[in-house]
Amino acid sequence: EPEVTQTPSHQVTQMGQEVILRCVPISNHLYFYWYRQILGQKVEFLVSFYNNEISEKSEIFDDQFSVERPDGSNFTLKIRSTKLEDSAMYFCASRTPRQGTEKLFFGSGTQLSVL
Amino acid sequence: GENVEQHPSTLSVQEGDSAVIKCTYSDSASNYFPWYKQELGKRPQLIIDIRSNVGEKKDQRIAVTLNKTAKHFSLHITETQPEDSAVYFCAAPPRRGSTLGRLYFGRGTQLTVWP
Repeated sequence: EPEVTQTPSHQVTQMGQEVILRCVPISNHLYFYWYRQILGQKVEFLVSFYNNEISEKSEIFDDQFSVERPDGSNFTLKIRSTKLEDSAMYFCASRTPRQGTEKLFFGSGTQLSVL
Repeated sequence: GENVEQHPSTLSVQEGDSAVIKCTYSDSASNYFPWYKQELGKRPQLIIDIRSNVGEKKDQRIAVTLNKTAKHFSLHITETQPEDSAVYFCAAPPRRGSTLGRLYFGRGTQLTVWP
């Protein structure tokens, strides 16, 4: 089965630094998402992206966050100035455009640690 | 927004026994209820889902039941095996009009199956 891939698997950064998390969605998928999971808490929706623009974002996704699809394969999440509370596992996900299919395919995640 | 509560947070069963995990949701407009399994260090993977027009769905040893009136849905695993050990997440979408693929997740249930 095709997979969503994420790099890096672990990222350690200093508070205030910028980080870019990278994702390669499944090739024929058109809907892309970022979720995150703080240790011991729920998986939380951050943002959805379709047709080269954000279609929805949560209250977590403030001005420090941005997403981009710089080419035909990558989907990135940028955190401009990281805070301690940004430490979490970040999951990318994608979905097929096929009608009636809501299955999300998740990547294996990037563990972000902000020191 | 949608509020998804999941119980129990941990569940230990003997191999061969059944396991039941329950979730409640708050938004009566929710119409899709997936269950994800996450093995240690791996990505969340969809194991079964159910739509609001169906009361029960089975796939081999796994079943999901939905009670729309009470707004709860449950995952049932029969004849559990050690490889069923993982964290299981339920999820539900928010009200109609929100982006497909945006899900609210439960906190997860750590299922341990003892041989």
